[in-house]
Amino acid sequence: NAGVTQTPKFRVLKTGQSMTLLCAQDMNHEYMYWYRQDPGMGLRLIHYSVGEGTTAKGEVPDGYNVSRLKKQNFLLGLESAAPSQTSVYFCASSYRGIYQPQHFGDGTRLSIL
Amino acid sequence: AQTVTQSQPEMSVQEAETVTLSCTYDTSESDYYLFWYKQPPSRQMILVIRQEAYKQQNATENRFSVNFQKAAKSFSLKISDSQLGDAAMYFCAYSQRSGTYKYIFGTGTRLKVLA
Repeated sequence: NAGVTQTPKFRVLKTGQSMTLLCAQDMNHEYMYWYRQDPGMGLRLIHYSVGEGTTAKGEVPDGYNVSRLKKQNFLLGLESAAPSQTSVYFCASSYRGIYQPQHFGDGTRLSIL
Repeated sequence: AQTVTQSQPEMSVQEAETVTLSCTYDTSESDYYLFWYKQPPSRQMILVIRQEAYKQQNATENRFSVNFQKAAKSFSLKISDSQLGDAAMYFCAYSQRSGTYKYIFGTGTRLKVLA
């Protein structure tokens, strides 16, 4: 039971570099989400998708882009990384409906120097 | 705007005892859902329990139960017979069924279980 898989688990970037975080789910879920988690704060939604080919902005979308070309994958991109984007990133998915329980990946710890 | 507040940054409980974690929220919606998630040191968030606002009965999952007070906008989590494996961060979350997408997490409560 893979569930939600995030790659990579850790990454260190220099300011200005770009990278893509990959999220894959094998539960045939319609909805997928990207969150960031910072110390002393709850998870904050970056972007989400309600189905293949769709994306929408969440609470903190600036500096990030996403794509959902395949139903099982949701990519989060940082075009020009900034130190303020140092965080732990979580991907999640849910079957259908924004009110459904979400299934989370293990997170990606990203440090921007 | 909807908000979720967890006023207890940290709680401790003796093994086998009962502990209650507090959560309050603010919303003008009538149809919404509330959740408690557990985040152990391994980092993966796990759903503990879910409550639908239109249901009067408090949700229960084995040793975990909630006290849902809709009028007071309170949603506390009770853990009975606490076990060492319950040690984790616990997050309260809110989601509404209609309108603009909302899935809002509180800041979390760190639960320590003492042997």
